[in-house]
Amino acid sequence: GQQVMQIPQYQHVQEGEDFTTYCNSSTTLSNIQWYKQRPGGHPVFLIQLVKSGEVKKQKRLTFQFGEAKKNSSLHITATQTTDVGTYFCAGLEMNTGFQKLVFGTGTRLLVSP
Amino acid sequence: NAGVTQTPKFRILKIGQSMTLQCAQDMNHNYMYWYRQDPGMGLKLIYYSVGAGITDKGEVPNGYNVSRSTTEDFPLRLELAAPSQTSVYFCASSSPYRIYGYTFGSGTRLTVV
Repeated sequence: GQQVMQIPQYQHVQEGEDFTTYCNSSTTLSNIQWYKQRPGGHPVFLIQLVKSGEVKKQKRLTFQFGEAKKNSSLHITATQTTDVGTYFCAGLEMNTGFQKLVFGTGTRLLVSP
Repeated sequence: NAGVTQTPKFRILKIGQSMTLQCAQDMNHNYMYWYRQDPGMGLKLIYYSVGAGITDKGEVPNGYNVSRSTTEDFPLRLELAAPSQTSVYFCASSSPYRIYGYTFGSGTRLTVV
């Protein structure tokens, strides 16, 4: 079955540093979504990418979908303490009849002031 | 507009007991899901439903059952609770318009002792 891996598993940065998490799928995806989960909270939808090579920005967050639609990345510029949490990618496999996402393993981000 | 509401928020069960985790959404979403999240881990799909009366197994269905008699409600039943079912359970829903992603409830933290 489809597997979605994320690296790194964990990263600790100083406030103001940049951060990137990478997402890799074993199969080609029709789209990929990103979620953020604050400590003790629930996942919250951030964005969806659909097109090959697509890049989207939300303020300090930049999301990219790979050309082969098997990988994605999330880059945060100048991290803030409010960025603390776990970031999950979630992919929808191509030719899947129903939109059942497969969630990645997650990257936990800790930001020190 | 409450979104996805889960009850209870916390529960301690003894081995062998049963319980039902409640999930309700008021967004008229056709699709609903149950995930479990073990400490420091990702999300594993237990069951999902594409509409009232239609349910299907996810990747970790053993020990659980679901029903979907209405569009709004998607309860998860645990029979004969085991320590391995200690986890945080999240219910989610989504519309056919994938751009909006999944909406998650705040979760039920279950401990089986």
